[in-house]
Amino acid sequence: AQSVTQLDSQVPVFEEAPVELRCNYSSSVSVYLFWYVQYPNQGLQLLLKYLSGSTLVESINGFEAEFNKSQTSFHLRKPSVHISDTAEYFCAVSEYSFGNEKLTFGTGTRLTIIP
Amino acid sequence: NAGVMQNPRHLVRRRGQEARLRCSPMKGHSHVYWYRQLPEEGLKFMVYLQKENIIDESGMPKERFSAEFPKEGPSILRIQQVVRGDSAAYFCASSTYTDTQYFGPGTRLTVL
Repeated sequence: AQSVTQLDSQVPVFEEAPVELRCNYSSSVSVYLFWYVQYPNQGLQLLLKYLSGSTLVESINGFEAEFNKSQTSFHLRKPSVHISDTAEYFCAVSEYSFGNEKLTFGTGTRLTIIP
Repeated sequence: NAGVMQNPRHLVRRRGQEARLRCSPMKGHSHVYWYRQLPEEGLKFMVYLQKENIIDESGMPKERFSAEFPKEGPSILRIQQVVRGDSAAYFCASSTYTDTQYFGPGTRLTVL
């Protein structure tokens, strides 16, 4: 069974400052890794994902995450945040399981941007 | 291509009543997952279905909860005799075979 740890439940950051949201996972098998974003009272939107290949993945709105197998981490970063980035961010994993890609989520990190 | 649809968006039930939550997957998607998000927590997997088949229900409570995904129509998550602890947001996600899951807006169930 796999698990995901997001140590920071809340992260306040000043506008235009950089941010890193931490995610560590545990699994006995290879995994796919995801970051989802949830805006208030909305569903989850996929931000970015790592399936294979380059360990650095990027989203269209300036976020990036790097898969580090030795540290079992998939931290999310953005060099300069905007007010519109205020949301809850969830890290998730799914195991390589032929035909069943159920996700295991972390408890989320609430990112608050301070003007 | 419409996204994943869930209805109702908000549902209020009194203790002991039944709740029915519907999920229409994206066009072309034959895999449906249900997740529950309790207040201040992350999402927890409940059940994974394909058309007319339950593939994995390891996250479903043993009693009162059931799910189906018929050949025609939406997937249904049914909760019988609801209790206050069932109050949560229930999210449905759909995917094609071994692909990214796309989430619906959720149904927020409140049990009075």
